[in-house]
Amino acid sequence: GAVVSQHPSWVICKSGTSVKIECRSLDFQATTMFWYRQFPKQSLMLMATSNEGSKATYEQGVEKDKFLINHASLTLSTLTVTSAHPEDSSFYICSARLPIQGLVGTEAFFGQGTRLTVV
Amino acid sequence: LAKTTQPISMDSYEGQEVNITCSHNNIATNDYITWYQQFPSQGPRFIIQGYKTKVTNEVASLFIPADRKSSTLSLPRVSLSDTAVYYCLVGRGGYQKVTFGTGTKLQVIP
Repeated sequence: GAVVSQHPSWVICKSGTSVKIECRSLDFQATTMFWYRQFPKQSLMLMATSNEGSKATYEQGVEKDKFLINHASLTLSTLTVTSAHPEDSSFYICSARLPIQGLVGTEAFFGQGTRLTVV
Repeated sequence: LAKTTQPISMDSYEGQEVNITCSHNNIATNDYITWYQQFPSQGPRFIIQGYKTKVTNEVASLFIPADRKSSTLSLPRVSLSDTAVYYCLVGRGGYQKVTFGTGTKLQVIP
């Protein structure tokens, strides 16, 4: 099946610094990718939809200037957490679907996640 | 996007069949039902997807009644490694965003 890979798997950074997380679709082209955040014992919360070649669409309440998303190619989307603070510590997960349009149900493929700890 | 409702948690003994039901009363005509499994500190993993009636694969079965307002994920003979959170999602494919409900935390007991 299709594979989505995230890097790094975990990262520790100092408060005030920025961290970049990469999401790659390894064997398919993804014009759209999704970024989620998950706090302990909670469900995944959709942060934004990343569109190749255009601006990302952010969910309500997500600061677009803090969580910068770049989708520069059909296989790579990046999420940069700028000026990170301890409350940004979380598990970040990306997802992509096969580029099939229309009304056919398709599964979403998820990366393995990135554990961000801000100290 | 159709809202889903699942039990928060379930316990089961090893070797038993587990059925997790999801309610999605406002499912749209073109929506599919998809179930995912998530282990701690991992991304969700696709289990099964269906539109109506019954779907079976090597790991699970999915039962969908005619009105499609609910669905049941059936895991045959669970083992300890099936302890995870199971999410029911409803929506169309393609570029539509995927949003998660609360999920069901399944604890398999030896």
